[in-house]
Amino acid sequence: AQSVAQPEDQVNVAEGNPLTVKCTYSVSGNPYLFWYVQYPNRGLQFLLKYITGDNLVKGSYGFEAEFNKSQTSFHLKKPSALVSDSALYFCAVRAAGGYQKVTFGTGTKLQVIP
Amino acid sequence: GAGVSQSPSNKVTEKGKDVELRCDPISGHTALYWYRQSLGQGLEFLIYFQGNSAPDKSGLPSDRFSAERTGGSVSTLTIQRTQQEDSAVYLCASSLQGGDRSPLHFGNGTRLTVT
Repeated sequence: AQSVAQPEDQVNVAEGNPLTVKCTYSVSGNPYLFWYVQYPNRGLQFLLKYITGDNLVKGSYGFEAEFNKSQTSFHLKKPSALVSDSALYFCAVRAAGGYQKVTFGTGTKLQVIP
Repeated sequence: GAGVSQSPSNKVTEKGKDVELRCDPISGHTALYWYRQSLGQGLEFLIYFQGNSAPDKSGLPSDRFSAERTGGSVSTLTIQRTQQEDSAVYLCASSLQGGDRSPLHFGNGTRLTVT
């Protein structure tokens, strides 16, 4: 069975500082990995994905994520946090190939402090 | 273009009643997913459709929950004899096809409250 772990329920960071939101996964075979963001009272939006190739992937709003196969991690990062980045972030995994469901983590609330 | 549409946006029902939640995916998307989001529980997978068939319905919590998809498009999630623990936001998402690399596109959800 595939699973995603987001070990931090909440991450607080000062505006302008770098941020990291952690994610580890478990899946049979190669993973497709995704990050989504949910702003207050809005639907989930796709941020970025890792499919294959470069381990560092870049996405919307200046976010990036690094795939680490040996550590089965896919941490979300941003060099300089904005107050407007405050939201709920979800990591998700799907096994490559075939018809597979997408499994989400429990979410991490990011609070950027002015 | 039009995104994923869910209706109703809010539903309040009495315990024991049946409810139907509807999802209109993005045109041309063959894969459709239902998730449930409860406070502090993250996104709980319910069921996944590829076309009209459901390769994975492992997440349905009980036999009170069922879902169907007709014409490879609209899907309905039905909850029979609702219980208070069914209160949550029910999210629908679609993607171009199952097993591919494209991200999920989510609707705004149906907030279900069972009183």
